[in-house]
Amino acid sequence: DVKVTQSSRYLVKRTGEKVFLECVQDMDHENMFWYRQDPGLGLRLIYFSYDVKMKEKGDIPEGYSVSREKKERFSLILESASTNQTSMYLCASSSGREGTDTQYFGPGTRLTVL
Amino acid sequence: TQLLEQSPQFLSIQEGENLTVYCNSSSVFSSLQWYRQEPGEGPVLLVTVVTGGEVKKLKRLTFQFGDARKDSSLHITAAQPGDTGLYLCAGYNNAGNMLTFGGGTRLMVKP
Repeated sequence: DVKVTQSSRYLVKRTGEKVFLECVQDMDHENMFWYRQDPGLGLRLIYFSYDVKMKEKGDIPEGYSVSREKKERFSLILESASTNQTSMYLCASSSGREGTDTQYFGPGTRLTVL
Repeated sequence: TQLLEQSPQFLSIQEGENLTVYCNSSSVFSSLQWYRQEPGEGPVLLVTVVTGGEVKKLKRLTFQFGDARKDSSLHITAAQPGDTGLYLCAGYNNAGNMLTFGGGTRLMVKP
C-alpha cells in the first residue's frame, strides 16, 4: 500500500520561529509536492520536486523554502513563521509526468502560528 | 495561473437524493481529476478523465469531462451518508506536471 507520512498532525509555533515540516513516502516516487489548504480555496501548490536536490516554485512560494536531500523525503521550511501561514499543509507524491498521475497525499499537518 | 471554480461550495441533502457538483474554468486542461477528502485525512483520487466528452462511472458516481476540456461535473445518484466529505476537482496543465485544484464542495448527506 502506498504511504505518505507527515511528521506532525498538529503544530503550534510563535511568530518568527523557524518551522520544519517533514514528509516521507515509501513508494519510490520521483515527484513530491507541498500544498496548503484553506477553506474555500482548495489546495494551493507551494513547491514541488521532480528529483533529489531539485525544486520548482508552485503558485504561492513566498515565505517558504524546501529541501530534498533524499528521494523519499521532502521538507517544507518556514524561515520566519507568520500568522498568515496558519493553515493545513499537505504533502503528496506521484510516480511520473504523464499528466494523469495519481497524487498520493499524507494526512496533513495543521499548523497554527501565534 | 489556471483557475478552477467549483459549485456549490456547500451542499446538505437527505439520503436518497441526487446531486451534481460543477467544476468550471476558462482554461483547457490536459486531464481532470476528482478527489474526495474525509476529515483528518488527505485527498484520495476517485477518477481521472482525459478525453473531451468522456464519461466515467464509479458505482453511483458519474463523472463527465466537458467537450472543450474546460469543465467537469460529478453526479451522485441516491446519495448515502457515506458519501459525506469534501470533493475536489483538479486539472493538469498542458505540461502535465502541475495540478490546479478547485475550491472544493463540502457535501453532507443526512440519514
